[in-house]
Amino acid sequence: DVQLVQSGGGLVKPGGSLRLSCAASGFTFSDYTMNWVRQAPGKGLEWVSSISSSSRYIEYPDSMKGRFTVSRDNAKKSLYLQINSLRTEDTAVYYCARDGGAVAGGAFDIWGHGSLVTVSS
Amino acid sequence: QSAMTQPASLSGSPGQSITISCTGTSNDVGGFNYVSWYQQHPGKAPKLVIFDVSDRPSGVSSRFSGSKSGNTASLTISGLQAEDEADYYCNSYTTSNTVLFGGGTHLTVL
Repeated sequence: DVQLVQSGGGLVKPGGSLRLSCAASGFTFSDYTMNWVRQAPGKGLEWVSSISSSSRYIEYPDSMKGRFTVSRDNAKKSLYLQINSLRTEDTAVYYCARDGGAVAGGAFDIWGHGSLVTVSS
Repeated sequence: QSAMTQPASLSGSPGQSITISCTGTSNDVGGFNYVSWYQQHPGKAPKLVIFDVSDRPSGVSSRFSGSKSGNTASLTISGLQAEDEADYYCNSYTTSNTVLFGGGTHLTVL
């Protein structure tokens, strides 16, 4: 089966750090641009980052630049998101997602189950 | 960049058709044919229902269709069914090489 299995997440104190992981199976991971998307409780979807198949191109929205770092290991078929200096407003479910479009234009066709990150003292 | 504009909520009766709009700018929706739509049920991950403005992934019902005019994209669901009750989000590629989501629309099937 084509799937993304996430790990990491949990309760973190403000100012702390966290690394989320996303393990791919059932498809050639190294062929696809991968993304992170988050959803705060009761709120909408917010795109967090993208990383191209070879890691050559990495993008973030302006609001995420500086504290968020996306990376991947194609040999391990895994995607990662490092978040530093966590703030209460970073509390959200974080999803990894595959961009399945012919051009990586935001067609997220495979999603992980989500990892809840709670930032609280 | 601000989220694209979607109506907060819509409702329809079983069998009816509804259309959800997604209004952006020439820097996103209007600039590319890379608009996607997602359905999300409570507590679940989003599901892709339309990509590249009007294409349907394999396995998605033909009751879902997409279109675009200028800076506004639309998702139409025909023959509404109870299981269509969910939140719907659009997204678009942007001139900044980023992805932008709409604010989301809650669809109620009466």
